Amino acid sequence: DTGVSQDPRHKITKRGQNVTFRCDPISEHNRLYWYRQTLGQGPEFLTYFQNEAQLEKSRLLSDRFSAERPKGSFSTLEIQRTEQGDSAMYLCASSLVTNQETQYFGPGTRLLVL
Amino acid sequence: AQSVTQLDSQVPVFEEAPVELRCNYSSSVSVYLFWYVQYPNQGLQLLLKYLSGSTLVKGINGFEAEFNKSQTSFHLRKPSVHISDTAEYFCARGGGSYIPTFGRGTSLIVHP
Repeated sequence: DTGVSQDPRHKITKRGQNVTFRCDPISEHNRLYWYRQTLGQGPEFLTYFQNEAQLEKSRLLSDRFSAERPKGSFSTLEIQRTEQGDSAMYLCASSLVTNQETQYFGPGTRLLVL
Repeated sequence: AQSVTQLDSQVPVFEEAPVELRCNYSSSVSVYLFWYVQYPNQGLQLLLKYLSGSTLVKGINGFEAEFNKSQTSFHLRKPSVHISDTAEYFCARGGGSYIPTFGRGTSLIVHP
């Protein structure tokens, strides 16, 4: 069990650029979640997948955000035309659908938009 | 909307002293409650969870929490803290989908 991994760990970009983050869940986990955490706040839910299907999206997930999990394994989160307000820690978590209340979190990707 | 309120943003305590981190939740018919810990530069780790049954829940690292329906609280306690317990602690609640809604966090600072 190698845990949930995220890449990159840090990303600095200029406003208007596109960025993509990757999450590799625990191998047998069929659910994958994305959260955003801003400074001084708890994580906020963005979206989740069960296998390759995206089952729920938060209102926080504007049309500049898109997430995919094409083969039901790793997932990518893309932010287009980044804004300074997108600066945050982006967290990924995974779980088994049979134990969905226990999520395992990755270390996060810290995004800074200049 | 479902929510949790963590009443203290920061809790300083001396090593080996007891600690209580407070959490209140908005009332609902069904409620699932969680406590997570986040160490610096790391992801969140589940400490304990309440889904149903016994109101006293024991978790990892010697932590426990008590579900109190009448007071809509789920306070986290540890009888004797260590320096290594210094971290950010998040209370969270889930609804039917178990997807947690997190509080703003409480920073536990353990002094030697």
